[in-house]
Amino acid sequence: EVLLLESGGGLVQRGGSLRLSCAASGFTFSSYAMTWVRQAPGKGLEWVSAISGGGGSAYYADSVKGRFTISRDNSKNTLYLQMNTLRAEETAVYYCAKGAINENYYYAMDVWGQGTTVTVSS
Amino acid sequence: SYELTQPPSVSVSPGQTASITCSGDKLGDKYASWYQQKPGQSPVLVIYEDTKRPSGIPERFSGSNSGNTATLTISGTQAMDEADYYCQAWDSSTGVFGGGTKLTVL
Repeated sequence: EVLLLESGGGLVQRGGSLRLSCAASGFTFSSYAMTWVRQAPGKGLEWVSAISGGGGSAYYADSVKGRFTISRDNSKNTLYLQMNTLRAEETAVYYCAKGAINENYYYAMDVWGQGTTVTVSS
Repeated sequence: SYELTQPPSVSVSPGQTASITCSGDKLGDKYASWYQQKPGQSPVLVIYEDTKRPSGIPERFSGSNSGNTATLTISGTQAMDEADYYCQAWDSSTGVFGGGTKLTVL
């Protein structure tokens, strides 16, 4: 069974940092691009960042560029999101999701984790 | 930055056909995907590459994409289809979601 399990969420002060992790199982992790998506309370989905299967290519939403860093450790089947200089409006559930086709496929995500909650206090 | 626009809500009677639109500049030149999200749950991919259904998604879900509009169509809508639906596309090395549409089956 393909599973994604996020962790690392919690309460952080505005301007603080947090690192999220996403542990993958049930598929060849390095063969798929991975994406982070967030959802503020009562709001819609917001694309945050994506990374290629090998980790050599990374993409970011303008709203997080320069503050967030996506990375992966294929030997540990784990995806990360380092979040710095957090803002109150970034309070959200953060989901990791698996690309649907291959290591460079970002157009759709076919498996999602249950999400981890990040709360940024002001 | 690229934007995708969806109607906030759509209503449909059980057994009827629901259509949810997603508009964006030259969206037809890009791949559109659709996700279903029920309250308290993670999103589920229901359509990718405009028209393709992942395994396990019922045949009543279909998609199209042309010009500036992608459409998710649910034929023979069932009560279990009541959910929020989001379109998504990829533009200039960035992913984009529409604002979401709440589908009510009544």
